[in-house]
Amino acid sequence: AQSVAQPEDQVNVAEGNPLTVKCTYSVSGNPYLFWYVQYPNRGLQFLLKYITGDNLVKGSYGFEAEFNKSQTSFHLKKPSALVSDSALYFCAVRELGYKLSFGAGTTVTVRA
Amino acid sequence: NAGVMQNPRHLVRRRGQEARLRCSPMKGHSHVYWYRQLPEEGLKFMVYLQKENIIDESGMPKERFSAEFPKEGPSILRIQQVVRGDSAAYFCASSSMTTSGNTIYFGEGSWLTVV
Repeated sequence: AQSVAQPEDQVNVAEGNPLTVKCTYSVSGNPYLFWYVQYPNRGLQFLLKYITGDNLVKGSYGFEAEFNKSQTSFHLKKPSALVSDSALYFCAVRELGYKLSFGAGTTVTVRA
Repeated sequence: NAGVMQNPRHLVRRRGQEARLRCSPMKGHSHVYWYRQLPEEGLKFMVYLQKENIIDESGMPKERFSAEFPKEGPSILRIQQVVRGDSAAYFCASSSMTTSGNTIYFGEGSWLTVV
């Protein structure tokens, strides 16, 4: 069975500081990992994904994520957070086929 | 290229009524998925459809819920005899293929409130 865990319900950072949202995964085969962001009362927007290749993946809005196979992690990062980054972030894994399994989500609050 | 289109965005139903949620996938996408987001819970897979076929409905409640994706027109998620516990955000998503690395794109969601 495939699963992801987001160990932090909330992350609070000051604007301009680095932002990290943690995600660990558990799959029996090769993982296909995704990050999505959800703003209030909106749908999920795709940020980035890891399929294969470079462990550092760059995505939308200045976000990047680092795939670490030994630690089974796929943490989302942004070097300098903006107030507008305040949202709910979901990590997801897709092991085989079509089904995405989502983490519980992490609420990010960036204070001015 | 228009994204995944869902309507209505917000729907209020009284207990016992029917709710119909519609979804048009992105242009060129033939695979449709429905997910549900309950308050204080994460996103849960409900059903995966291709045109005229239900491929996987393992996440669908066994009663009152049904989904279709006809040859022509949008995909429909239908909830009969709604109860308060059905109040949730229902998200439709689509993809062009089902290979594991393929990105699934989500719509803006339909928020159902049962009163």
